[in-house]
Amino acid sequence: GAGVSQSPSNKVTEKGKDVELRCDPISGHTALYWYRQSLGQGLEFLIYFQGNSAPDKSGLPSDRFSAERTGGSVSTLTIQRTQQEDSAVYLCASSLKHRGGEAFFGQGTRLTVV
Amino acid sequence: AQSVTQLDSQVPVFEEAPVELRCNYSSSVSVYLFWYVQYPNQGLQLLLKYLSGSTLVKGINGFEAEFNKSQTSFHLRKPSVHISDTAEYFCAVSSGSNFGNEKLTFGTGTRLTIIP
Repeated sequence: GAGVSQSPSNKVTEKGKDVELRCDPISGHTALYWYRQSLGQGLEFLIYFQGNSAPDKSGLPSDRFSAERTGGSVSTLTIQRTQQEDSAVYLCASSLKHRGGEAFFGQGTRLTVV
Repeated sequence: AQSVTQLDSQVPVFEEAPVELRCNYSSSVSVYLFWYVQYPNQGLQLLLKYLSGSTLVKGINGFEAEFNKSQTSFHLRKPSVHISDTAEYFCAVSSGSNFGNEKLTFGTGTRLTIIP
């Protein structure tokens, strides 16, 4: 597609369940980022992929969070044993390498843990 | 480490009036600077960017910003706002690493409300 696509757009899950969030970046964009947007913390970096590798995972808040990217394209962010504090909007962005940080964002997945 | 400060969390402005949204940053290395806009229930859209060259950059929807290295600022301006400019505006920086990791550090955002 023309833009970054994220699914689902909304997800309500029970505390303790696992969730998977999907990101389909712009074709040809080798860099992919996940960010989290929450009321208390603003916009936070979670993880960076270059191709299928994740050289920077420094923003993942706990070991319940993991992500992978396959075929240099689609990425999945997995949250295990969800907690209420995981409720947030998860944003995916992609970019061409060496663009200084100019990134194209998806619409986000709003995760609500009840 | 980098940080971005947006001192104004909310800015109300009358329609057709000028507006300035303030952004200051700190970084120990050279930075690239961005303004993103987020309309309700949408993702982030790039308004404008400063990578190098002229310190006055123009973006979409009539917005412009000026990079001031001595004051470490990148304030966003528009001479005449419209109702459709109502949104949240985020200032962001990246270090533009040669290793490809160009993650963004965001400010806390400024909610711009246009008053008819």
